[in-house]
Amino acid sequence: AQKITQTQPGMFVQEKEAVTLDCTYDTSDQSYGLFWYKQPSSGEMIFLIYQGSYDEQNATEGRYSLNFQKARKSANLVISASQLGDSAMYFCAMREGLAGNNRKLIWGLGTSLAVNP
Amino acid sequence: NAGVTQTPKFRVLKTGQSMTLLCAQDMNHEYMYWYRQDPGMGLRLIHYSVGEGTTAKGEVPDGYNVSRLKKQNFLLGLESAAPSQTSVYFCASSEWRGGPDTQYFGPGTRLTVL
Repeated sequence: AQKITQTQPGMFVQEKEAVTLDCTYDTSDQSYGLFWYKQPSSGEMIFLIYQGSYDEQNATEGRYSLNFQKARKSANLVISASQLGDSAMYFCAMREGLAGNNRKLIWGLGTSLAVNP
Repeated sequence: NAGVTQTPKFRVLKTGQSMTLLCAQDMNHEYMYWYRQDPGMGLRLIHYSVGEGTTAKGEVPDGYNVSRLKKQNFLLGLESAAPSQTSVYFCASSEWRGGPDTQYFGPGTRLTVL
């Protein structure tokens, strides 16, 4: 079974609107971390936002926020006020266990977001 | 700060040829990683290193070798390239200082094996 599931292969959003990209995860660890990365058509992987399993508040970074629902094992990325430059692939990833102990990330297959003018 | 750089950006090989991909980081990070990205398969970890002189196998290590002789460099070698190794290769680095241990990526190398 996949440990990171991104159920939306492709999404469309109108410029200036908000969009939510889904990510569900599966782990039996109590300590874990969740990451979102953006990959534009130029190919580089850009770190967006991080949520630790013990963080009580949802993470926010500018127009990005993470809707973390621990009981449902979901870590959805919310992009507010979409811009044309937000068109890209978005990947959710998880690190199981404590950050100091585990180097490996588990990756989802990504969601392609297209922002329409 | 250049961050993570990769050399070369593109390469075409014939089956059986060898090559080395170079990754360099200027952030003094302890940990470095090599991934491959294939359509529909996400990122898969090939090898990683937790410090100078150390390497460890990831999810898909077969057909690849790595070396970390200097802290800032992580080399990925293909001794006898196969068409199945056609992919985009990403290097990343990270440092755990009590925070999330975020991995920062290089721009990628697009490799085609004919």
